[in-house]
Amino acid sequence: KQEVTQIPAALSVPEGENLVLNCSFTDSAIYNLQWFRQDPGKGLTSLLLIQSSQREQTSGRLNASLDKSSGRSTLYIAASQPGDSATYLCAASPSGTYKYIFGTGTRLKVLA
Amino acid sequence: DAGITQSPRYKITETGRQVTLMCHQTWSHSYMFWYRQDLGHGLRLIYYSAAADITDKGEVPDGYVVSRSKTENFPLTLESATRSQTSVYFCASSESAGGFTYNSPLHFGNGTRLTVT
Repeated sequence: KQEVTQIPAALSVPEGENLVLNCSFTDSAIYNLQWFRQDPGKGLTSLLLIQSSQREQTSGRLNASLDKSSGRSTLYIAASQPGDSATYLCAASPSGTYKYIFGTGTRLKVLA
Repeated sequence: DAGITQSPRYKITETGRQVTLMCHQTWSHSYMFWYRQDLGHGLRLIYYSAAADITDKGEVPDGYVVSRSKTENFPLTLESATRSQTSVYFCASSESAGGFTYNSPLHFGNGTRLTVT
């Protein structure tokens, strides 16, 4: 059974710092992995989707990497800003299914 | 506006009552999902649907019923609400789901906060 873990559960950093959020999954047989952002009281916004054949995806200051063999994905945020404060979730889609299995998220606070 | 909308935004109901949460999407996406979000558990899949009239159980389907007579609507019904069903419920849709040659992102609604007293 696929399990997805995100560590740390919470993180505070000063503005301008580059940071890495981690996502681990137990079964390397995935079709893709997606990173989301969730603001308080809101739904989830898709940030990046990495297909299993890809190693990374970039969007602006965000870069997500995928290493299926080690069961890890990282989300790199460059030059963090207070507006980046939110909860970041990753979700893995097991091979042969429609489903996405979510991690419990990392709550990020960027201090001005 | 195009998108995925959930209603109501907030709902308080009593134990034993039937309640239906609505989900509507304007993209004509084939795939739709219901998740619940609870502290300490993250998002857990309740039911999902690959097309109209095709639904399947997720991780935590007990106590819930879904239907999908039209592509754009995917209502979730709690047949007899219990306190353990107090949660935030999210509906999501995808043009294609993970596992197919064309992958597209999951799009989420803003959620329904349900309290069962």
